[in-house]
Amino acid sequence: QQQVKQSPQSLIVQKGGISIINCAYENTAFDYFPWYQQFPGKGPALLIAIRPDVSEKKEGRFTISFNKSAKQFSLHIMDSQPGDSATYFCAASNEGGSQGNLIFGKGTKLSVKP
Amino acid sequence: DSGVTQTPKHLITATGQRVTLRCSPRSGDLSVYWYQQSLDQGLQFLIQYYNGEERAKGNILERFSAQQFPDLHSELNLSSLELGDSALYFCASSDINTGELFFGEGSRLTVL
Repeated sequence: QQQVKQSPQSLIVQKGGISIINCAYENTAFDYFPWYQQFPGKGPALLIAIRPDVSEKKEGRFTISFNKSAKQFSLHIMDSQPGDSATYFCAASNEGGSQGNLIFGKGTKLSVKP
Repeated sequence: DSGVTQTPKHLITATGQRVTLRCSPRSGDLSVYWYQQSLDQGLQFLIQYYNGEERAKGNILERFSAQQFPDLHSELNLSSLELGDSALYFCASSDINTGELFFGEGSRLTVL
């Protein structure tokens, strides 16, 4: 049973454009929602994370939007750059259990064209 | 560099064999997590250790086991290997204050 559904699987965006990746979760006990970025040959690295007490969090060009009632959250990358080309994973966990026991989405491969 | 060290980076072995993957967490981190990444299953949590004790189990097969030693390094043992065990195995440690996970670069296991 996939508890975190991520879409799209792949995304091609022009340099300067906005990249949007969506995730939906099922378990209402989840209370920690991070996004990870993974480059080929590297491990995932935390990009930005949100908790359900806020609806939006912004860090530089990266923004998480969170809709608790719809059980959905999304990553927006503004002014996308070729260096942003990577695979992005959303994830969720129940921090009351352990923040690190993450349920990951299947990933979105982002390509930013110059 | 995340500060998490994994060895070996690549490993090729045959079905039925046993391998051991090693992980050294970031200095000061007490928790170690193991994840498996495969094309069909994606990233899956296997097991967590905290200061030498098993803390949580995920989708870890009975053929797999792990431990964390007094110096906090961890080993993941995979036995009776099958073709389907071919995957990237990641170790991560979590910051004691923020809980943020830091992943190593992974060990790529190929079972032939």
